[in-house]
This record gives sequence, C-alpha cells and structure tokens, in this order.
Amino acid sequence: EAQVTQNPRYLITVTGKKLTVTCSQNMNHEYMSWYRQDPGLGLRQIYYSMNVEVTDKGDVPEGYKVSRKEKRNFPLILESPSPNQTSLYFCASSFASGRVMIQETQYFGPGTRLLVL
Amino acid sequence: GEDVEQSLFLSVREGDSSVINCTYTDSSSTYLYWYKQEPGAGLQLLTYIFSNMDMKQDQRLTVLLNKKDKHLSLRIADTQTGDSAIYFCAESTGTGGFKTIFGAGTRLFVKA
Repeated sequence: EAQVTQNPRYLITVTGKKLTVTCSQNMNHEYMSWYRQDPGLGLRQIYYSMNVEVTDKGDVPEGYKVSRKEKRNFPLILESPSPNQTSLYFCASSFASGRVMIQETQYFGPGTRLLVL
Repeated sequence: GEDVEQSLFLSVREGDSSVINCTYTDSSSTYLYWYKQEPGAGLQLLTYIFSNMDMKQDQRLTVLLNKKDKHLSLRIADTQTGDSAIYFCAESTGTGGFKTIFGAGTRLFVKA
C-alpha cells in the first residue's frame, strides 16, 4: 500500500531537548516536504527536498533542520525545541520529473502532534 | 510576500452546491490546488489547476480560476454529508512548483 508514515504520531517534550520526527515513503518519490499546521494559519512549509542531498527552505525554516540522505526518508530535526514549535506537523511526498513536481501523485502523512513544554 | 486567503466557514444543505472561494497574491503561481482534510487526518489532494487554465472539472468538482483577479473557486455539486471537512486552497510558486503557500482553510458544514 502506498503511504507516507510519520513517527512518532504524538510527542510531549520539554524546551531544549533535541528531537527528531521521522518521515518515510514507500513510493520512490523524489520530492518530500515538511509542513506545520496551526489554527487559523493553515499549513506552512518548513523545508522541502527535490531529491537525495537536495533540500531547500520553505516559509518557516527557523528552528528546524532536515536531511535527505536516502530517497525514502526525510527526518525533521528540532535541535532545541521551544514552545512556539508546538504544532501539528505533516510530511508529504510526490514524484518529480526533472525539476517539476508531478502534482497528482502527492501523498500526505497522518501528522505528528508535538507539544513543547 | 505571497498570501492566500479564504473564508473560514461555509454551511450548506445536503444536495445543494457548495462554492468555496480563495484569493492569492502571487501572480507568478504555477499551480493552484484544493486539498481536503477530514477530522484527525492528513491532507488529501482533491484537484489542481495549472495557472494557464480557466476551468477544470472532475466529477462533482469544478475549479474556476480568474487569473486577472487572482481568484480561485471550488464548486462541489450535490454536496453530501461526507463532504464535511476543511478545504485548503494553496498555490505553488517557483520553477517546478516545489514551494507551496496554503490558505487558512474553509470549514464546510453540510446539514442533512
């Protein structure tokens, strides 16, 4: 079954304690992306990756890091989480041909709800 | 910077048509999207339109794009209770459409 998986699904942590949210897709997609969803703000893009070892900033990259060492995985790293990073996080993936995303192949993960105390 | 705006709520009766509207600011948008999010779930891409198109129809869904006014709409014909969800409008910018800006979402309530 084609899917994007995220782990953990729920996480409560404390300020400053490094954490990683994993994202994995089984569709051999080139493109992967991280978003955060906050009430009244919709989704905001954090980082995206067009292929292995190619990443770029979205709209709200501050406080986050990503890596794309292999095609299927795109972890989101919070080196020193703060309460304003409390949010619902979504990972997404799709095929890309050359430098163009194939729109209709987009899949989203189920979300990771993070609470930073 | 780029911005996407949509109304927060819409309520319709079952069987009626729903029209969800969206405005965007970036005239260089390459694609415009509509996503659906059901409670507790991730987003599902409903449909999208390339910026040089005016209209796209897909079964009960009709997307209209007015590029001059930077206005996008999603019409759902014969709305059903299963259509109750949050609908997000989004635009992608830049070469390849990799960078995406979302609206805040419109919550659609369908009354039986």
